[in-house]
Order: sequence, then structure tokens, then C-alpha cells
Amino acid sequence: DIQMTQSPSTLSASVGDRVTLTCRASQSIGIWLAWYQQKPGKAPKLLIYKASTLQSEVPSRFSGSGSGTEFTLTISSLQPDDFATYFCQQYKSSLYTFGQGTKLEIK
Amino acid sequence: EVQLVQSGAEVKKPGESLKISCQGSGYSFSNHWIGWVRQMPGKGLEWMGIIYPGDSDTRYNPSFEGQVTISADKSIGTAYLQWSGLRASDTAMYYCARQLDFDRHFDYWGQGTLVTVSS
Repeated sequence: DIQMTQSPSTLSASVGDRVTLTCRASQSIGIWLAWYQQKPGKAPKLLIYKASTLQSEVPSRFSGSGSGTEFTLTISSLQPDDFATYFCQQYKSSLYTFGQGTKLEIK
Repeated sequence: EVQLVQSGAEVKKPGESLKISCQGSGYSFSNHWIGWVRQMPGKGLEWMGIIYPGDSDTRYNPSFEGQVTISADKSIGTAYLQWSGLRASDTAMYYCARQLDFDRHFDYWGQGTLVTVSS
């Protein structure tokens, strides 16, 4: 299985901050990575796919980068609606795996 | 508008059987893979398996194979996840989600079905 490791597990930040979340794969996955946002009691929502392609209607303050084994999700200026948990997912292997999540908290 | 609507919350006893559903609308249901994802209380996301409703081609995560059955009825645009003998450890939220193509991201998700297994 391809293991996905996210860091940090929890991140405290303030509205307006620029934040970067990291996701590492245990082996190369090319650009076959997605990022999802999940709020408490809600389903995950697709933000980014193919490592850097923004899903339709997702605000442009979200961006993704990386390839191979190291990926980042950046939020350029945090908004109150962005405090949530973020998951990465690889789909290079047909045994899809998710990272354990990064919880973004209000400082 | 693409929508995936899941069946309601369930409370079951250990050993009971259960089938939950996920109805797709707003797109060609037969032509896109549907996956199931488990989220145990306070935990992360685990991919369980996927099905292509057009021909019922099904792939399982080995961790879930034999524990659940995934099926679909393309005539009514609905996918299913079922258990023949629930365990307390099956208590979780279950999501269905659509893939545009095989080995791609999940672009639309259902609202989730909470399954609680308790004696």
C-alpha cells in the first residue's frame, strides 16, 4: 500500500494568515493527488486534483503543488470558513489511500 | 446538478444484516465509478471499494473484501453497501462518492450514512 503522511496533525492560525499543509507519499505517485476539506458533520469536499488543479467553484486562495512524493496545499489568506480538517488522497495506485488529516484551528 | 443522496442513519445489533444506499442524479449514473469510504468516529478516511454501475465491475480494498458487498442497480441509479453480519467495529459514517473515471479523484460526495452497531 502507498502510505500518505500529512503534517502537521494540527495547525493553529489566524484569519488572514498564509498557511501551508504538507502531504508525503511513501513512494512516487506522480501528480495523482487530491486534497479534500471536511467540516464537522459534513462530507469531504474536493478542493484540488492532479496535485494542482483547482476544482470548479473553489476559491483561488487555495492552491496545490508538488509531484512525486511531496505535496503542499497552501491557503494564501485564511478566511473564517477555512477552519476545517484537510485530507490528501493518492490515486496512483488502485488501492486508494488517504492521509490522516490536518486539522486547521483558529489561534 | 450532480447529487448523491444516501439513505438514513441506522442502528443495528451485532450479527444483523444491513444494506445502505446511494442514489445518483444529475449525470449518467451508469458511466461513472462510485466508491465507498468509511470514517470511524473521530478518525480519517478509508477507501472500501468502487463499482462501475454500467457493468457492475467491482474492486475492493483487501482490508474490506469479504466483510462487505458493493453492488449497484443502474436502472434506478443506485449503489449499495451491505453487510451480512455487523460487528460493533462497523460503527462509522459511510460515504459514497463519484469518480469521473477509473483511478481518479472523487469529485462529488454523498452526505453520509451513520451506522451504529450496539447491543
